[in-house]
Parts: sequence; structure tokens; C-alpha cells
Amino acid sequence: ETGVTQTPRHLVMGMTNKKSLKCEQHLGHNAMYWYKQSAKKPLELMFVYNFKEQTENNSVPSRFSPECPNSSHLFLHLHTLQPEDSALYLCASSQGSRDNEQFFGPGTRLTVL
Amino acid sequence: AQKITQTQPGMFVQEKEAVTLDCTYDTSDPSYGLFWYKQPSSGEMIFLIYQGSYDQQNATEGRYSLNFQKARKSANLVISASQLGDSAMYFCAMREVNFGNEKLTFGTGTRLTIIP
Repeated sequence: ETGVTQTPRHLVMGMTNKKSLKCEQHLGHNAMYWYKQSAKKPLELMFVYNFKEQTENNSVPSRFSPECPNSSHLFLHLHTLQPEDSALYLCASSQGSRDNEQFFGPGTRLTVL
Repeated sequence: AQKITQTQPGMFVQEKEAVTLDCTYDTSDPSYGLFWYKQPSSGEMIFLIYQGSYDQQNATEGRYSLNFQKARKSANLVISASQLGDSAMYFCAMREVNFGNEKLTFGTGTRLTIIP
């Protein structure tokens, strides 16, 4: 595998379910990110991890819980979500310096019923 | 105020023509970075081009160039000789660093459709 991978690619869940999104980067980067992309809205940064430490939480509701066990893996644990949480969730990684671009995964299309 | 503004929600361009996608930004930080990403229907965000705020020359990457006008706070993307595969959403983004934390802010995007 190369680049940034995300699983699953599609997820349908009820409001009472608990599920997790997984992101893995094979680029040796030290920073990882979760973004939410809703229809007709700009990408919203949710969480930032640098060297496994969370450095930014962009006022995200507690029903979203990130986990970064190492620099290569990032999880987003979901519980008691709302229908308005339906969106494309994108993971990205970067080398963490100002001039380096972020590499994105293909995203997980989440639908909350 | 929006940090990144893309005023063109959609554009239709004839194949082989050049196209300019507009982006203006707002920041008080003297050091920042500007990015353009392409998002095809598959959903993946693909990096296209980067411009640093201190870069003297406009960035170029193949058919992509960035028309950086710092005083006007604009960073328009120019695609030369457009191809059918260029049809996608295009996002302008700005990176700022506050207290060691970097943040990438995206615009609302422009949907580009290339007409054969």
C-alpha cells in the first residue's frame, strides 16, 4: 500500500451504533488530520495530531473521538451520531512543515440514519 | 469574514482552452502558504500546486500555474490547454501556523466542467 488509505470507504450506521474509521499513511509523515466535508460547505478541520499528540480540536462534538496510537495510524471513533453528521470524512498526513502539502486519503462516505 | 473565498461555484470551459479559477484570501500573518487541490468524483483530494507567501516567483507545475498577487491577496489557479480529465472540484486552501499548530483552511470550491 502507498500513500494514505482509509477504511471503510462507505459506512451506513444508525444513531445508536458505535463504529470506527481508520486511516493509515505509508509516507513517513509526522502529522495526521481528520477533515469533514459536507455538501456545499468547505472542508472543516476536525483534529490534528503531531507526533501522536493531539494539537488541535476544532470544537468537535464529543460523539467524535480520535485516537492516534502511532504516527502512521489515526482512528475516528463514532458513537450516538446524528443525521447531520452524514458527510465525507477525509484523513490527511503531512511532514508537518509549512511548505509541505497534505496528502489526502480517498475518504469514508458516512451516512447516519 | 471568510479566510478563503472562491467566487465561482461552477465553470464550463471548452476543451483545450485555458481556464482561471479565482481565489482570494484573508490573513494578518506575514508567513503563510497557499495550496490548490483537485477533487474528482472519486472523492480523493489531489495536491496540485503550492505558493509560499515569501516566494518571489509564481509557482508552476506542468499545466498548472498560480497567479499570485500578494497585495491583492489573490492566488488564482491557471490551467492551460484544458483536458476532459480536468473536470472536477477545485479547492483553494491557506495554511497558517499559530503557536506551532498548523491549520489548513479551505474555500467552498469551484466545480469545473470541461466540454468536448
